[in-house]
Amino acid sequence: QTVVTQEPSLTVSPGGTVTLTCASSTGPVTNDYSPNWFQQKPGQAPRPLIYSTSNKHSWTPARFSGSLLGGKAVLKVSGVQPEDEAEYYCLLYYNGAYVFGAGTKVTVL
Amino acid sequence: EVQLVQSGAEVKKPGESLRISCQGSGYSFTTYWISWVRQMPGKGLEWMGRIDPSDSYINYSPSFQGLVTFSTDKSISTAYLQWDSLKASDTAIYYCVRQVQHYDSSGFYYDWFDPWGQGTLVTVSS
Repeated sequence: QTVVTQEPSLTVSPGGTVTLTCASSTGPVTNDYSPNWFQQKPGQAPRPLIYSTSNKHSWTPARFSGSLLGGKAVLKVSGVQPEDEAEYYCLLYYNGAYVFGAGTKVTVL
Repeated sequence: EVQLVQSGAEVKKPGESLRISCQGSGYSFTTYWISWVRQMPGKGLEWMGRIDPSDSYINYSPSFQGLVTFSTDKSISTAYLQWDSLKASDTAIYYCVRQVQHYDSSGFYYDWFDPWGQGTLVTVSS
């Protein structure tokens, strides 16, 4: 059973920077895993933020960026805003199937 | 506007069957995969699998293989998620989402998941 691991929770101050990671139990995450990142707020459907590692959707704020670092997919939020408080999920591709990470709860304090 | 509209909330008893729907509009329904995603109460997202509406080819997550059935009706641009015998543990919100796959001129592969349906809450309780 493939496991995708994310930090359970992170806390950041407004205006600060937070880095979320996404690791695979199968080994280093590469572009072949086509990492997607989603933001979900309570009572809402997930909102896509980043696709295929580093590509932003038209609605994705510039402060969000995606990359690969140290064998993991990374979502970085620079200049965090209060409205960025949410759960963040990564999604990785494995030969015809996908697996979500368990999510990272980002608290803005 | 490209959108997926899901059927309304359901309350069922254990052992009952159920089919929920996801209707696409604003795009060519048979061009893009539809994935189904489960979110149990207070828990994270789980990818259940996907169906290609053009030919009904399906990839099920191993965790959901044999437990649910995906189908589509191209004539009404609708995808379905079906249970033959519900359990209390099937209580969750179920989302459908369109998957877009694209190869650029260099052969680089991109995929993204948008839009998402609004979710269907399924409650299974005796």
